[in-house]
Amino acid sequence: DTGVSQNPRHKITKRGQNVTFRCDPISEHNRLYWYRQTLGQGPEFLTYFQNEAQLEKSRLLSDRFSAERPKGSFSTLEIQRTEQGDSAMYLCASSSRLVTGELFFGEGSRLTVL
Amino acid sequence: DAKTTQPNSMESNEEEPVHLPCNHSTISGTDYIHWYRQLPSQGPEYVIHGLTSNVNNRMASLAIAEDRKSSTLILHRATLRDAAVYYCILSQGGNQFYFGTGTSLTVIP
Repeated sequence: DTGVSQNPRHKITKRGQNVTFRCDPISEHNRLYWYRQTLGQGPEFLTYFQNEAQLEKSRLLSDRFSAERPKGSFSTLEIQRTEQGDSAMYLCASSSRLVTGELFFGEGSRLTVL
Repeated sequence: DAKTTQPNSMESNEEEPVHLPCNHSTISGTDYIHWYRQLPSQGPEYVIHGLTSNVNNRMASLAIAEDRKSSTLILHRATLRDAAVYYCILSQGGNQFYFGTGTSLTVIP
């Protein structure tokens, strides 16, 4: 399968714990995006990378959120000291077209914070 | 954020055409208009995009107003598999895509 892959698909954690999600984009896609989606809402943009450079991170929800894409391939999204309000679906997308931007989304990682 | 306005929900009968409207009165000259849809428990899926001219692909057609302040996604024959939330999005230079709450389409058999 050459689609966008996200792991884990489901994560249940206790409040205060750290969690990390991984996204493997479509091979050779140079742009990678992270979104968060809560029930009944559209995806909320968090950050994006072009190759290994993080070009926009002001939308990350707080300093507890961080993302990396160390070699311009896979990316990780880490949430430190999780709170119940962090419970959501975290979506990753990748793209290879600079202007027209057809995004290919993964199936998401669902986080539940108890 | 580039702003779009869509109806919260719409209904269509199966095998009939569906016209999903979107208003984007603050669109800038370089913004592309994108449509994505999201089926239950799945990530969003690209449908179509355009800049100024109407566009057709195997999934749908996109009609863009001459002043570009509105657009319409056209599904020519709705099927039950088309039941989804449809998002109209303006891309700012093709870099960032901000989703709204979209239109939830119900297809009635």
